[in-house]
Amino acid sequence: SQTIHQWPATLVQPVGSPLSLECTVEGTSNPNLYWYRQAAGRGLQLLFYSVGIGQISSEVPQNLSASRPQDRQFILSSKKLLLSDSGFYLCAWTKTGLITDTQYFGPGTRLTVL
Amino acid sequence: AQSVTQLDSQVPVFEEAPVELRCNYSSSVSVYLFWYVQYPNQGLQLLLKYLSGSTLVKGINGFEAEFNKSQTSFHLRKPSVHISDTAEYFCAVTTFGNEKLTFGTGTRLTIIP
Repeated sequence: SQTIHQWPATLVQPVGSPLSLECTVEGTSNPNLYWYRQAAGRGLQLLFYSVGIGQISSEVPQNLSASRPQDRQFILSSKKLLLSDSGFYLCAWTKTGLITDTQYFGPGTRLTVL
Repeated sequence: AQSVTQLDSQVPVFEEAPVELRCNYSSSVSVYLFWYVQYPNQGLQLLLKYLSGSTLVKGINGFEAEFNKSQTSFHLRKPSVHISDTAEYFCAVTTFGNEKLTFGTGTRLTIIP
């Protein structure tokens, strides 16, 4: 069966510090991968998605970046965090080319920037 | 481009009462529609989806939704809610050939004992 992992679960970082959140998927190959952010009262915002290794699409301009160094690994990064980066970050995957298939979400990382 | 609107940010309902969570979409082409549920401090999970065929879709936990093309709506319903239904509910839309979902802003369902 397929599983999706995210870590860390919780993170408190000072403004201006770097960030690295990791997402890995097990039990499937060549998935589509997604990073979402939930800010308080603002719903679910798609940040990045990837249809293959090294292929990243950015949805919104920001100081975050994403990378996909391996087929089932998706990393969200920042060189300098802003207060507005606080939120709940969710990683998700779906089968390649099957957007109508279910998106499976990880447990999320709650980031607080102070 | 497609979009989805969830007009109700919060819906309080008494336990065992019926509930309807509203979702309206906008798209110039045929759509696929989804409802996801998020329990506190967890990721989202799929409740149900409409791809084609019957406009009444049944999902998990007793929920159902009806696709109405003329009203561009996909409202979620449950005839009798339980405390365990307390969660945030997201409507989402996509189209053929798209690689991503567009989510609404969510509706927080609170069940009153």
